[in-house]
Amino acid sequence: GNSVTQMEGPVTLSEEAFLTINCTYTATGYPSLFWYVQYPGEGLQLLLKATKADDKGSNKGFEATYRKETTSFHLEKGSVQVSDSAVYFCALSEPSNTGKLIFGQGTTLQVKP
Amino acid sequence: ETGVTQTPRHLVMGMTNKKSLKCEQHLGHNAMYWYKQSAKKPLELMFVYSLEERVENNSVPSRFSPECPNSSHLFLHLHTLQPEDSALYLCASSQARTGAGVSNTQYFGPGTRLTVL
Repeated sequence: GNSVTQMEGPVTLSEEAFLTINCTYTATGYPSLFWYVQYPGEGLQLLLKATKADDKGSNKGFEATYRKETTSFHLEKGSVQVSDSAVYFCALSEPSNTGKLIFGQGTTLQVKP
Repeated sequence: ETGVTQTPRHLVMGMTNKKSLKCEQHLGHNAMYWYKQSAKKPLELMFVYSLEERVENNSVPSRFSPECPNSSHLFLHLHTLQPEDSALYLCASSQARTGAGVSNTQYFGPGTRLTVL
């Protein structure tokens, strides 16, 4: 079945460091790919998405490119801030009428000043 | 962000209580979802409603009973829960696919933190 695998955390970085959170997926067909972020005590917020191969999603300085050849959707940011500390979830949407999401296990990012 | 609201935000209940969680979406969507988020476990999809019909039930115990009276509201009725049911319960909504290219992005509420004593 379809699945999403994220790198294990926690990831601890200093402010202004470069961030990469790896995400790979297994899917039949052509899923859409998403990154969601969850700040402490809150629900999930959509960070960015890509709907087809080679699409790049971007938002708030974060980027991820849909790579079909490597089945990956790695999240990157050039310079992280303390306010980026959160849990990041990679997800895929199965092509269906319900838009069901399959989530990875989440990666905790902690940014220190 | 007030697109999807959930009440209450926090709930403490005993194992013999009956309570309900409420979700409301103001985005004009026609699909709604319940997820369970437990510590150190992946997000678990519980129920999916599309066009007010339940289209998915992921082997959820009968002590959880969903209700979707219209496309804007979703409830999760709880009864005789167990301590292991303590978790963050998240509601989400999206526009169910009605043709090629329709967005299926899900938007989440803030969650209800449930503690079962």
